[in-house]
Amino acid sequence: EEQLLESGGNLVQPGGSLRLSCAPAGFTFRNYAMTWVRQAPGKGLEWVSTITDTGGRTYYADSVKGRFTVSRDNSNNMLYLQINSLRAEDTAVYHCSKGSGWVDPWGPGTLVTVSS
Amino acid sequence: DIQMTQSPPTLSASVGDRVTITCRASQSISTWLAWYQQKPGKAPKVLIYKASTLRSGVPSRFSGSGSGTEFTLTISSLQPDDFATYYCQQYDSYSRTFGQGTKLEIK
Repeated sequence: EEQLLESGGNLVQPGGSLRLSCAPAGFTFRNYAMTWVRQAPGKGLEWVSTITDTGGRTYYADSVKGRFTVSRDNSNNMLYLQINSLRAEDTAVYHCSKGSGWVDPWGPGTLVTVSS
Repeated sequence: DIQMTQSPPTLSASVGDRVTITCRASQSISTWLAWYQQKPGKAPKVLIYKASTLRSGVPSRFSGSGSGTEFTLTISSLQPDDFATYYCQQYDSYSRTFGQGTKLEIK
């Protein structure tokens, strides 16, 4: 069964940084693009970033461009999202997901709370 | 960015009803559209991709149609497990976007 599990979410102050991780299981990670999607409390889904299978190309939502960096380690089967210069509006559950167009499965998410 | 507009935002229906949710794109996206179901506290799951292709394991009461800018998700006979929030998502452009969601409630 294909599964994803995120970690790294925490309470951080505005302007702070975090690195989120995503551990895949049940599929050949290096063969797939991967995507991060976030959901603010009580709100809808927002696409954040996509990275190609080799990591050679990355794509970002305008709302996070220049502050977030997606990366992957295909040798160790890990996906990352470095989030810097955090703002209150970045408060959300961050999900990683397999694929780049339609995405499935999704991990349960990790909560990032930005507050002083 | 391509804007995705779903309607209605909320839909009240009963078990056994046929329901339709609409998603409109601000420009043509061909058939590069997916539908997701999300239950409270859970991650979304894909139901349909490429506008009308049913994901393996998804019940056949779910169907999708449309192309260009207008799309629909239809549930032919609502079951208790179907009460959830539904999102459309375009993947025509690399700046992916989701609709704002449709919450399907029990009448």
